[in-house]
Amino acid sequence: NAGVTQTPKFRVLKTGQSMTLLCAQDMNHEYMYWYRQDPGMGLRLIHYSVGEGTTAKGEVPDGYNVSRLKKQNFLLGLESAAPSQTSVYFCASSWRGVRRGGSEETQYFGPGTRLLVL
Amino acid sequence: TQLLEQSPQFLSIQEGENLTVYCNSSSVFSSLQWYRQEPGEGPVLLVTVVTGGEVKKLKRLTFQFGDARKDSSLHITAAQPGDTGLYLCARSQGNLIFGKGTKLSVKP
Repeated sequence: NAGVTQTPKFRVLKTGQSMTLLCAQDMNHEYMYWYRQDPGMGLRLIHYSVGEGTTAKGEVPDGYNVSRLKKQNFLLGLESAAPSQTSVYFCASSWRGVRRGGSEETQYFGPGTRLLVL
Repeated sequence: TQLLEQSPQFLSIQEGENLTVYCNSSSVFSSLQWYRQEPGEGPVLLVTVVTGGEVKKLKRLTFQFGDARKDSSLHITAAQPGDTGLYLCARSQGNLIFGKGTKLSVKP
């Protein structure tokens, strides 16, 4: 199993350009997440999905859109990139959100996409 | 959003030394997870702690959950260069909320 894969690994965009980041998982997980990681800010949740065809906003959703047309794929779109979106983007997946007993399910992360917006 | 404070922010030590990093909040956690992130990779879960006072061991790593479930610590015994990375704690609040991490460097 490949686990969680992300495409591309690295991208440079000019301000105003658009792009789509692809996340794929082969573990049949219901939940998928997109995070961004910035120096000194930790990981922040952008959007997430609790199942095929569903999406929801996280902590920092502005400027991003997502789609979950297939269970195994979760796409993150930037319609008009801005320099503030320069970051490392991580996708993660989990079987479900919370286990019986209340503890969080394990999230499995991809290797990240490094995005530079000039 | 209840913040998670991790300390220290940076730690640089020699191989063989012991160290402890901390994760604190002003509110009670239902559960807490510790992740390690190596340079250029995504975070990987190390442990989940649920019960106040709980202690879990993973080889040379010892994780403790405070009795009041507001804090947690990670102790590494005889650190090795392979322990180098960013250590993140995360609490469940609907979704996971991550601390900013402790960046550990272990020099040979």
